[in-house]
Amino acid sequence: AQRVTQPEKLLSVFKGAPVELKCNYSYSGSPELFWYVQYSRQRLQLLLRHISRESIKGFTADLNKGETSFHLKKPFAQEEDSAMYYCALRAGTQGGSEKLVFGKGTKLTVNP
Amino acid sequence: ETGVTQSPTHLIKTRGQQVTLRCSSQSGHNTVSWYQQALGQGPQFIFQYYREEENGRGNFPPRFSGLQFPNYSSELNVNALELDDSALYLCASSLSFGELFFGEGSRLTVL
Repeated sequence: AQRVTQPEKLLSVFKGAPVELKCNYSYSGSPELFWYVQYSRQRLQLLLRHISRESIKGFTADLNKGETSFHLKKPFAQEEDSAMYYCALRAGTQGGSEKLVFGKGTKLTVNP
Repeated sequence: ETGVTQSPTHLIKTRGQQVTLRCSSQSGHNTVSWYQQALGQGPQFIFQYYREEENGRGNFPPRFSGLQFPNYSSELNVNALELDDSALYLCASSLSFGELFFGEGSRLTVL
């Protein structure tokens, strides 16, 4: 089964505090994972992918195959990080294409 | 560079009617994917078109159908609308199977 679980629907932190958005996945193949972000009144956009191992806007995410997790972390949250965050898994389809399987999302609010 | 554009942005239909949603791909992209996002849920894959052919489909009934045109724009058609079809429909384009670029979506309400 292909599944992405984001256990927290809402997460609220204060500016300057560390933040961790949790993501767990279930996938029988070799996983490729992503974090997407949707800021208020903007479209869904890619934040980062695990294969690139990069830090975007101070966010990092490490794939832990043993724990089947891909948590998103930032050491010092900023007010502009307030947004909806979706974890996604790339999976194959019967037609030979690839699709993204999304979690339900976590709404992050960074308070001043 | 023009991003992904979708139309209409909002529409209201009644049960049993049919709807067509449109998507213009980002310049240079040849693949279009459609996703349905119900309230409080993450996007769910409907299907994908590559070079005018459907090449992948999620768990949606046949009344969900689509087209991709030679200019790589796309349509999503839904027949015999049901109340549960009320959702935000997202189109995403990509170059082959690369990074997806999403449109702002079409919000469908079925009464």
